[in-house]
Amino acid sequence: KAGVTQTPRYLIKTRGQQVTLSCSPISGHRSVSWYQQTPGQGLQFLFEYFSETQRNKGNFPGRFSGRQFSNSRSEMNVSTLELGDSALYLCASKGGNTNTGELFFGEGSRLTVL
Amino acid sequence: SQQGEEDPQALSIQEGENATMNCSYKTSINNLQWYRQNSGRGLVHLILIRSNEREKHSGRLRVTLDTSKKSSSLLITASRAADTASYFCAPGGNRDDKIIFGKGTRLHILP
Repeated sequence: KAGVTQTPRYLIKTRGQQVTLSCSPISGHRSVSWYQQTPGQGLQFLFEYFSETQRNKGNFPGRFSGRQFSNSRSEMNVSTLELGDSALYLCASKGGNTNTGELFFGEGSRLTVL
Repeated sequence: SQQGEEDPQALSIQEGENATMNCSYKTSINNLQWYRQNSGRGLVHLILIRSNEREKHSGRLRVTLDTSKKSSSLLITASRAADTASYFCAPGGNRDDKIIFGKGTRLHILP
């Protein structure tokens, strides 16, 4: 069974640009969560999508948005990039027959904003 | 949803020694999970302990849960260089709750 796939793995943008990151969950998983990880703030929850609907939301400005498609793949978008958006963005899928909520993470997309 | 607080923030031990890290949380839980993150990589699920369990083992890992003290501990026995990583706990409520992570414990295994 393929794991969670995130693309691109690395990208460099300049301030003011926008970026779109993609996440393909494990087959059969309907929940995708996104996290931002920085040295200063640690691992912060952005949002979670389940069956194409945002189910949970963290405390990030509206520049951060996401969506989920009918095949459960998810994208997150950051508009008007700021230097502080430089981070490792992780997505994680959850699902299957367990009732424990275990998360399966991708390897992340490392964004550098210049 | 609630965030666990890991302690210590950082830990350095010699290879072969045991490593213990702790997690505290504030409100009642259904389960508690532990994750490992190697530098710059995604998190990997290690073990889950349910609220009605007191101890659980998985290979060299031993997790305890004390719901009366709202705390959990993760013990890694006979540590190896490959155990160098950050470790996070995640107190869990309902299955559909978001999972929030704390700062983690950075474990460094010295050769």
